[in-house]
Amino acid sequence: EVRLVQSGGGLVQPGGSLRLSCAASGFTFTAYWMTWVRQAPGKGLEWVANTRQDESEKYYADSVKGRFTISRDNAKNLLYLQMNSLTAEDTAVYFCARGRGWVDFWGQGTQVTVSS
Amino acid sequence: DIQLTQSPSFLSASVGDRVTITCRASQGITTYLAWYQQKPGKAPDLLIFDAVTLQSWVPSRFSGSGSGTEFTLTIISLQPEDFATYYCQYFNSFPATFGQGTKLAIK
Repeated sequence: EVRLVQSGGGLVQPGGSLRLSCAASGFTFTAYWMTWVRQAPGKGLEWVANTRQDESEKYYADSVKGRFTISRDNAKNLLYLQMNSLTAEDTAVYFCARGRGWVDFWGQGTQVTVSS
Repeated sequence: DIQLTQSPSFLSASVGDRVTITCRASQGITTYLAWYQQKPGKAPDLLIFDAVTLQSWVPSRFSGSGSGTEFTLTIISLQPEDFATYYCQYFNSFPATFGQGTKLAIK
């Protein structure tokens, strides 16, 4: 069974940092691109970033470029999203997902709230 | 960047109805389009990719069509579990983009 289990969300002050994790199981992690998507309260889905299997390609939404870094640990089947210089506009539920473009399995989501 | 516009944003229908949701792209995207269903408090589920290909678990009452700039998601004979929010997504180049969503509610 494919599983993506997320951790690392929470409350952070503006300008702060947070790292999200996504533990993958039930499939060959090294065979897939991985993606982060977020959803602000009451809003639609926003694609955030993705990474190729070997991290040789990474892409970011303009809204997070230069502040967020996607990475992965293929030995541990872990996907990360390092988020720096957070603002209130980054408040959202963050989902990790399997795939490069369309994504077929999603994590449960983790809440990130940026507030003083 | 490619922009996707869904219509309508809100749709009210009854069990048994047929509904169609449209997704228009700001430029031609061949068939690089996916559709997702999201229920409140849950992660989205992939319904359709490459504009017309149903995921294996998706009932045949769902169908996707279109290419270029105009795409549709059709649900025939709505079931109670189909009331949700639907999103289209362009995915061939990055940043990938989602439509703003269509909320399908029970009339």
